[in-house]
Amino acid sequence: GDSVTQMEGPVTLSEEAFLTINCTYTATGYPSLFWYVQYPGEGLQLLLKATKADDKGSNKGFEATYRKETTSFHLEKGSVQVSDSAVYFCALMILTGGGNKLTFGTGTQLKVEL
Amino acid sequence: KAGVTQTPRYLIKTRGQQVTLSCSPISGHRSVSWYQQTPGQGLQFLFEYFSETQRNKGNFPGRFSGRQFSNSRSEMNVSTLELGDSALYLCASSLPSPRSFSYEQYFGPGTRLTVT
Repeated sequence: GDSVTQMEGPVTLSEEAFLTINCTYTATGYPSLFWYVQYPGEGLQLLLKATKADDKGSNKGFEATYRKETTSFHLEKGSVQVSDSAVYFCALMILTGGGNKLTFGTGTQLKVEL
Repeated sequence: KAGVTQTPRYLIKTRGQQVTLSCSPISGHRSVSWYQQTPGQGLQFLFEYFSETQRNKGNFPGRFSGRQFSNSRSEMNVSTLELGDSALYLCASSLPSPRSFSYEQYFGPGTRLTVT
């Protein structure tokens, strides 16, 4: 079946440090890939997406590139802020005639300290 | 445009009871999906409704059911509650487009269900 594997957290960084959160996937078809972020007490917010190989999704300084050859979609940010502290989820979706669903990784908690 | 709304936000129920959760999608969105989030199992897909029809279902027992109304609002019901049903239940809506290769899902704040 389809699955997403994320690096274990928590990841603790100092403000302005470089961030990488690794994400790899296994899919039976050709997936679209997503990163969602969840702040404490809230639902999930779509951070960025990519729908085909070599696409780069970007938003709010975060970037991720769809690498089909390595089945990866790693999240990066050049300089993190305290406000980026949250849980980040990598997810995939394969569109089918029978509907669509998101398959999530386990989430990676990011803590950014001053 | 208003986001996805879920009611109630918090709920405490006793084992054996049943519960109904409500979700109002973003205006114009016709697809509603439900997910369960727990510390142990993470985020798991429950089901998806489109135009009042369930078109996708996750691996949950029959105690979990849902429906969608003509205005796209959706409800999910859990009968005979168990302690393990304690979770954050998230609803997401999307706007399927013939020209889109992905159906972006937008999430509500969730309903926190505690079963005692």
